[in-house]
Amino acid sequence: DVKVTQSSRYLVKRTGEKVFLECVQDMDHENMFWYRQDPGLGLRLIYFSYDVKMKEKGDIPEGYSVSREKKERFSLILESASTNQTSMYLCASSSPSFRGSYNEQFFGPGTRLTVL
Amino acid sequence: GQSLEQPSEVTAVEGAIVQINCTYQTSGFYGLSWYQQHDGGAPTFLSYNGLDGLEETGRFSSFLSRSDSYGYLLLQELQMKDSASYFCAVGSGTYKYIFGTGTRLKVLA
Repeated sequence: DVKVTQSSRYLVKRTGEKVFLECVQDMDHENMFWYRQDPGLGLRLIYFSYDVKMKEKGDIPEGYSVSREKKERFSLILESASTNQTSMYLCASSSPSFRGSYNEQFFGPGTRLTVL
Repeated sequence: GQSLEQPSEVTAVEGAIVQINCTYQTSGFYGLSWYQQHDGGAPTFLSYNGLDGLEETGRFSSFLSRSDSYGYLLLQELQMKDSASYFCAVGSGTYKYIFGTGTRLKVLA
């Protein structure tokens, strides 16, 4: 059974703290993604990685960084948490898709982060 | 800019048919996919259209018209368990996906 796990379901942090969100997949997928989900805004891509140590900015990378030292693990880092980063964070993984083919993304259960 | 538009909410009764539309404007196009998300749950994949036409998977069908930058998800024989949010997503590059804001489907008994 394919699985994407995230380190916490709920997390409460204070403004200015450094926050680490961890994601692990057991499907040997090359691609991994971090999204944030907010009501009325859908899923917005923060960062993605297509290989170990490789990363690309998504649509809203400001205030975030990522790390991928091992294929199965993709970490999202909030360098200095702010209240506007309160959100649901979703990690996903997939095999590469190419024009004419598609490999679905598998999502983790999400981490609901509250920054006070 | 890049955008996907879908209705925010749709309501239908059990046993009915409902269509959720998605129009997109993206710089690249690597196909249209649909995901379902129940409250408190993770999005799960439903279907994919890379070429024009209809794809059918059980009670769900998805349609794509690339010339119109338009697609839809069709749900037949609605069941209460279909109450969820539905997201369309466009691959705008080999690795990058853009998701719509989601359509909340309410199925009434």
